[in-house]
Amino acid sequence: DQQVKQNSPSLSVQEGRISILNCDYTNSMFDYFLWYKKYPAEGPTFLISISSIKDKNEDGRFTVFLNKSAKHLSLHIVPSQPGDSAVYFCAARPGAGSYQLTFGKGTKLSVIP
Amino acid sequence: DTGVSQDPRHKITKRGQNVTFRCDPISEHNRLYWYRQTLGQGPEFLTYFQNEAQLEKSRLLSDRFSAERPKGSFSTLEIQRTEQGDSAMYLCASSLVGATNEKLFFGSGTQLSVL
Repeated sequence: DQQVKQNSPSLSVQEGRISILNCDYTNSMFDYFLWYKKYPAEGPTFLISISSIKDKNEDGRFTVFLNKSAKHLSLHIVPSQPGDSAVYFCAARPGAGSYQLTFGKGTKLSVIP
Repeated sequence: DTGVSQDPRHKITKRGQNVTFRCDPISEHNRLYWYRQTLGQGPEFLTYFQNEAQLEKSRLLSDRFSAERPKGSFSTLEIQRTEQGDSAMYLCASSLVGATNEKLFFGSGTQLSVL
């Protein structure tokens, strides 16, 4: 039973346009969410996070939106750059200090120059 | 900050052999985690330590898997009697408990191939 779902295995976007990556979760105990980016042969790198008390968090070109009632979050990248091409993982945990992250399967983003 | 270091980067072994992986966390981090990632999946939590104490190990995949962090610094993950299904990327991560919005920093992983 997947508690964190990324239903799009891949996404292609033109350079300069917006990339929107989606994530759904089923566990209502989750209240802290993170996005990680992963290049081939490297470990995941933290990108941005959001607590359930917020509905939006922004860091430069990256914005994460959280809709708690829909149990849905999304990552917006604007403008998209070729260097953003990577696999993006959504992760969640029950509380900011909880030890265990539950990851989705990832979405492979390709930004086309 | 030298980041999380894992060794080796790649390991090829024959079925039935034992393997051991090492992880050196970021020096001031007191939590250390092991995750496993298989093809097409996200990382899957295995176990974690706070300082030298292993506080959660029920998610280790079988009793062939064990982990240690003897002095609260580096950690090792051992797999005994490897099976082909153990082939995966083994990821180590560390964090500083108590930090605002505590987040995990991952190493580059050890890619295990069991022949």
